[in-house]
Amino acid sequence: DAKTTQPNSMESNEEEPVHLPCNHSTISGTDYIHWYRQLPSQGPEYVIHGLTSNVNNRMASLAIAEDRKSSTLILHRATLRDAAVYYCILSQGAQKLVFGQGTRLTINP
Amino acid sequence: DTGVSQDPRHKITKRGQNVTFRCDPISEHNRLYWYRQTLGQGPEFLTYFQNEAQLEKSRLLSDRFSAERPKGSFSTLEIQRTEQGDSAMYLCASSPIFWTGMVEQYFGPGTRLTVT
Repeated sequence: DAKTTQPNSMESNEEEPVHLPCNHSTISGTDYIHWYRQLPSQGPEYVIHGLTSNVNNRMASLAIAEDRKSSTLILHRATLRDAAVYYCILSQGAQKLVFGQGTRLTINP
Repeated sequence: DTGVSQDPRHKITKRGQNVTFRCDPISEHNRLYWYRQTLGQGPEFLTYFQNEAQLEKSRLLSDRFSAERPKGSFSTLEIQRTEQGDSAMYLCASSPIFWTGMVEQYFGPGTRLTVT
């Protein structure tokens, strides 16, 4: 399974943008880049996914580098409810997800 | 659509006892996954079903673990002769299958198992 590298933790302030980086230098051409997040005491929750192009949805934006070896999850205006562990995962289609340790995001009021 | 549900939410058992967890996926979701999560770690894949067929099992799933999905609806995960190392959150997820192959997984709230 292709691996990803994320910072262990990040901190930001409420109502400011947050950029969560992910490195995946061994990504293959058919790997999708997924982001899930896990709020305290809950199961993981899908955030966004992409293959080559940048993606936007109501929760976040995903910026993918041209060589696909890195990506950034962007939360445009962080709220306290965005405090969670964010996981960057590579997967091909409807297969198992291989989670790393993720980035623990703290939002300061 | 009420989402993925799991029962029980919490289970405390003594070492050596058997436990069974249930997962009810979102209706009409063909795929059902089980993951295990220990404190401070990301979830680890255990096994998954497509309809009633168990298609993949992780090496983490020892002989004491068994999962079923009769009739392709709900699933059960049984742990026999529990050990303290089995203490973890057991997560269930489900997903549909589309021809594009790329779908998100919907997770339940998990069952927290404590083995004393």
